Amino acid sequence: SYGLTQPPSVSVSPGQTVSVTCSGDQLGRKNVCWYQQKPGQSPVLVIYQDRKRPSGIPGRFSGSNSGNTATLTISGTQALDEADYYCQAWDNNVVLFGGGTKLTVL
Amino acid sequence: QVQLVESGGVLVRPGGSLRLSCVVSEFTLSDYYMSWIRQAPGKGLEWVSSISDSGNTKSYADSVRGRFAVSKDDAQKSLFLQMTSLGADDTAVYYCARGRFCSGTSCYFDYWGQGTLVTVSS
Repeated sequence: SYGLTQPPSVSVSPGQTVSVTCSGDQLGRKNVCWYQQKPGQSPVLVIYQDRKRPSGIPGRFSGSNSGNTATLTISGTQALDEADYYCQAWDNNVVLFGGGTKLTVL
Repeated sequence: QVQLVESGGVLVRPGGSLRLSCVVSEFTLSDYYMSWIRQAPGKGLEWVSSISDSGNTKSYADSVRGRFAVSKDDAQKSLFLQMTSLGADDTAVYYCARGRFCSGTSCYFDYWGQGTLVTVSS
């Protein structure tokens, strides 16, 4: 079955740029979205259709998707961006989630 | 504003059954694809089940197919998840979520409920 792979954790210093990857076979042919989840809270959509930002999501969040890898990039990372991030795709009426990446802002 | 409120999560014994509900407001269920997504304690998100805007298409994760059933009542603005033969692996927070553009190669969830906790234990 199709799977999405994310690194378990990444870390970044405040103000720096960090990328979170999501890998899957020919993932570039699918639309990928990203969710941010903070402890005790519901997930929040931060990127949809590979690179679009919902209203209210800061411009420092961006996305791309090509080949076998989708990437969420946070520029000028802030302490409040520390959270778990999940990629998600859709394949023939099946919703697919990556395992999640814990972002630590050191 | 758009809201989704889940309820029905409780402590249930292994082998038991449970029905979760999700009441929505400020949008029409018959216009949207809806899903149930769960998260076991300390674990990631796992898709459980979805129902199309028309209600004609229902899909399930392999882990719950044959045990869980999704349904909805558009007039009551409610989404349901009937769960049977529950096991410890079903212990999780269950979220309902509103899907957008769920066809072809795209589907994403723009609104989520706060979740309801289901605990399966003897």
